Amino acid sequence: EPEVTQTPSHQVTQMGQEVILRCVPISNHLYFYWYRQILGQKVEFLVSFYNNEISEKSEIFDDQFSVERPDGSNFTLKIRSTKLEDSAMYFCASRGEINEQFFGPGTRLTVL
Amino acid sequence: AQKVTQAQTEISVVEKEDVTLDCVYETRDTTYYLFWYKQPPSGELVFLIRRNSFDEQNEISGRYSWNFQKSTSSFNFTITASQVVDSAVYFCALSGRFGNEKLTFGTGTRLTIIP
Repeated sequence: EPEVTQTPSHQVTQMGQEVILRCVPISNHLYFYWYRQILGQKVEFLVSFYNNEISEKSEIFDDQFSVERPDGSNFTLKIRSTKLEDSAMYFCASRGEINEQFFGPGTRLTVL
Repeated sequence: AQKVTQAQTEISVVEKEDVTLDCVYETRDTTYYLFWYKQPPSGELVFLIRRNSFDEQNEISGRYSWNFQKSTSSFNFTITASQVVDSAVYFCALSGRFGNEKLTFGTGTRLTIIP
């Protein structure tokens, strides 16, 4: 069964460093999303992406964040200068035919 | 603005008991979609069900059933004859009329099944 994959599973970085989180959505999906979940809290929307451009973004998704689909398979989230409060689980999702979003296993980002 | 409320923060039941997880939503859209996701201790988010606002039929899938009531803006989830493997955090979520829109999640209910 097709699934969304994410790498790495865990990323540790120093405050102020840039990180790139990678996702491979399900191959025939067209809509892609990033969400984050701070430990023990609810899942929060960051950004949605369709047809090679951002279709919606949340207040969390400020100038430090960017997304890209550099080729036909990968979908990346970049954080330019990480802060302590960026520590969270980051989930990538892609949307299927009946509007359900399938999530990847997540990348746990720890900012020291 | 959309909002999802899961008032039950934590629930514990003994194995084989039935349990219902509550979800109440707010939206101004006349067309919308409701979802349930399971987050087991391993951390991934597992899609369980999607329901659109035009379909108020209750759904049953094995031990799982969902009760959608538009009149009370609720989309409750019942697990029958609970098992230890059902222990997880369960999230209710809502998306808008275009379907490709973001999911708005509730705060989740942590369900513990006691053997």
